[in-house]
Amino acid sequence: EGQLVESGGGLVQPGGSLRLSCAASGFTFNYFWMTWVRQAPGKGLEWVASVKQDGVEKYYVDSVKGRFTISRDNSRNSLSLQLSSLRADDTAVYYCSRARKDCSGGNCYLDYWGQGTLVTVSS
Amino acid sequence: QSVLTQPPSVSGAPGQRVTIPCTGSSSNIGAGHEVHWYQQLPGTAPKLLIYGDSFRPSGVPDRFSGSKSGTSASLAITGLQAEDEADYYCQSYDSGLSGSYVFGTGTKVTVL
Repeated sequence: EGQLVESGGGLVQPGGSLRLSCAASGFTFNYFWMTWVRQAPGKGLEWVASVKQDGVEKYYVDSVKGRFTISRDNSRNSLSLQLSSLRADDTAVYYCSRARKDCSGGNCYLDYWGQGTLVTVSS
Repeated sequence: QSVLTQPPSVSGAPGQRVTIPCTGSSSNIGAGHEVHWYQQLPGTAPKLLIYGDSFRPSGVPDRFSGSKSGTSASLAITGLQAEDEADYYCQSYDSGLSGSYVFGTGTKVTVL
C-alpha cells in the first residue's frame, strides 16, 4: 500500500517563498506521474502541478505558472513544490498525490493522497 | 469558477439512493475525457471513488457507481449509509485554451 507524507508547510508573508516536500513509500516511485493539489480553507480542490516520471515534462495550472516549480528526485522517492511570490490566495492545504495513466494524455486521475500540509500566506 | 458544475448539496435518508450530477461542456466531458470521482470525509484527504467514468478501485463498495452521457457525468450512491456523509468531487480534463485538469465544484452529501 502506497504512502505519501507531506512536509514544509507553514506561515509565510506575502511575496515570500516556501518549499514543500513529499516522501513516497510502498510503491515504485519512478513509475508514476506525481501531482500537487491544493484546497483553500472551506473551498474545493484545485489541481496545481504535475510532473512526469523523468522529471522533465511538467504541467502547471495557469494561476501558479512562473511562481511555482514542481520537481522530483527519483533516487530519494521524493516530490517537491517550490512556492515563490506567494499571495494570500495561495493559502491552502497542499496535497501530494500519485497519478495513474499518462497525464499528458488528458485522462489521468489520482489514486494515492497524502494527508496534506497547510500553507498560510499572511502578514 | 470551475468548468465542472455540481450542486452544493444533496441529502437522503439511510437506505435511499442519491445521485450527484457533474455538468461539463464540449471541451471536457463532451470531448470524451474521462471523469473520476473522489470522496472527502470531514477533515481528511480526498479518496479515489470512481475512475475512468465507471470503474471502482478495489475496496470501494458497489453501492457507488459512475456513469457518463454527453457533456455530463453522474455519481450514484445506493443504500445510503451514515458513513457516506462527505464531500464529493468529480474530476476531468478541459482541453480549452491552455488545457487543464479540473475538479468539479463539489457536493456535500448529508444523511438525514
